[in-house]
Amino acid sequence: GNSVTQMEGPVTLSEEAFLTINCTYTATGYPSLFWYVQYPGEGLQLLLKATKADDKGSNKGFEATYRKETTSFHLEKGSVQVSDSAVYFCALSKGGSEKLVFGKGTKLTVNP
Amino acid sequence: SQTIHQWPATLVQPVGSPLSLECTVEGTSNPNLYWYRQAAGRGLQLLFYSVGIGQISSEVPQNLSASRPQDRQFILSSKKLLLSDSGFYLCAWSVNSRGADTQYFGPGTRLTVL
Repeated sequence: GNSVTQMEGPVTLSEEAFLTINCTYTATGYPSLFWYVQYPGEGLQLLLKATKADDKGSNKGFEATYRKETTSFHLEKGSVQVSDSAVYFCALSKGGSEKLVFGKGTKLTVNP
Repeated sequence: SQTIHQWPATLVQPVGSPLSLECTVEGTSNPNLYWYRQAAGRGLQLLFYSVGIGQISSEVPQNLSASRPQDRQFILSSKKLLLSDSGFYLCAWSVNSRGADTQYFGPGTRLTVL
């Protein structure tokens, strides 16, 4: 079946550090890939998405590239801020009414 | 623009009591609707999804049920809560279209069963 594996946290960084959160997937066909962010006490917000191979999703300084050859969708940001502290979820979907398949989430803490 | 509401925001209930959580979506018609549960320190588990009024699919057998009495209303219920029902409940919606894949989440309901 379809599955998503993302690096286990927690991840603790200093402000302005470079961030990478690894995400790999297993799926048949060509799923869409997502990163969602969950701030403390809140629901999930869509951060970025990519729908086909070599697509790059980007938002708020975050980027992720859909790599079909390595079945990966790693999240990166060049300079993190304290306000980026949150839990980040990688997910995939086959579309239509198909459910999202989530990774277990990676908690990021950014210290001043 | 579309918005999704959930209430209540927080709820503390005794074991054995009933439950009703409500989710409504504005600004779209005939959405797909989903209920997820997030247990403390764990990922998200899909509980139910619906592609139309009265159409409910259950992903996990348990003492919870879902109903969709109106196009943009999705209700999660239980007749008797268990301790293990504690968690953060998230409702989500997506466009009801073959090619659509993005789900948009509500603010969630924090349920504590004592």
